[in-house]
Amino acid sequence: GAVVSQHPSRVICKSGTSVKIECRSLDFQATTMFWYRQFPKKSLMLMATSNEGSKATYEQGVEKDKFLINHASLTLSTLTVTSAHPEDSSFYICSAFSGSYNEQFFGPGTRLTVL
Amino acid sequence: GQNIDQPTEMTATEGAIVQINCTYQTSGFNGLFWYQQHAGEAPTFLSYNVLDGLEEKGRFSSFLSRSKGYSYLLLKELQMKDSASYLCAPEGGNTPLVFGKGTRLSVIA
Repeated sequence: GAVVSQHPSRVICKSGTSVKIECRSLDFQATTMFWYRQFPKKSLMLMATSNEGSKATYEQGVEKDKFLINHASLTLSTLTVTSAHPEDSSFYICSAFSGSYNEQFFGPGTRLTVL
Repeated sequence: GQNIDQPTEMTATEGAIVQINCTYQTSGFNGLFWYQQHAGEAPTFLSYNVLDGLEEKGRFSSFLSRSKGYSYLLLKELQMKDSASYLCAPEGGNTPLVFGKGTRLSVIA
């Protein structure tokens, strides 16, 4: 199967700072990537759909000015949590859609802790 | 819209068989994924069913009935390491997966 990486795997930051999370498809091109977040003992919740070369589509209730998504190339999407607050502490997971496999592949996730 | 229903928690004994059911209602449907997720980790792929029927893959099997909007994941010869959450996710192609709340399986000795 295809491989998706995320960086960093874990980040701790102070309240008010911004954090960038990278999602890369390592051996395939992904025109579409998805960003999810997961609170402890909760299901994955879709945050936004990221399409290469266009603006991301955000789910209802997700602040687009707070969670900036950039999909500048067919192998990279970034999620920037701006002015992070403790309630943004969560597990963020990306997935990339492979047209060849007709399947989504998940990154390993990034655990964000905001102090 | 989409509606996915799974049991919240299940407990089974090591060596036993357990079946995790999933019912779904979706506006578009291509197939259904089952993922396993250990605490603090990303989901890992278990199976993808497109056609009706049972697909067996080692200790894990997955069943789909498109007409009934029903699927189940069957785990045989349970091991302690199978303790995890199991997520059912119907999909419609190049669209985001919508996950059920997941079933938290505890395997006990």
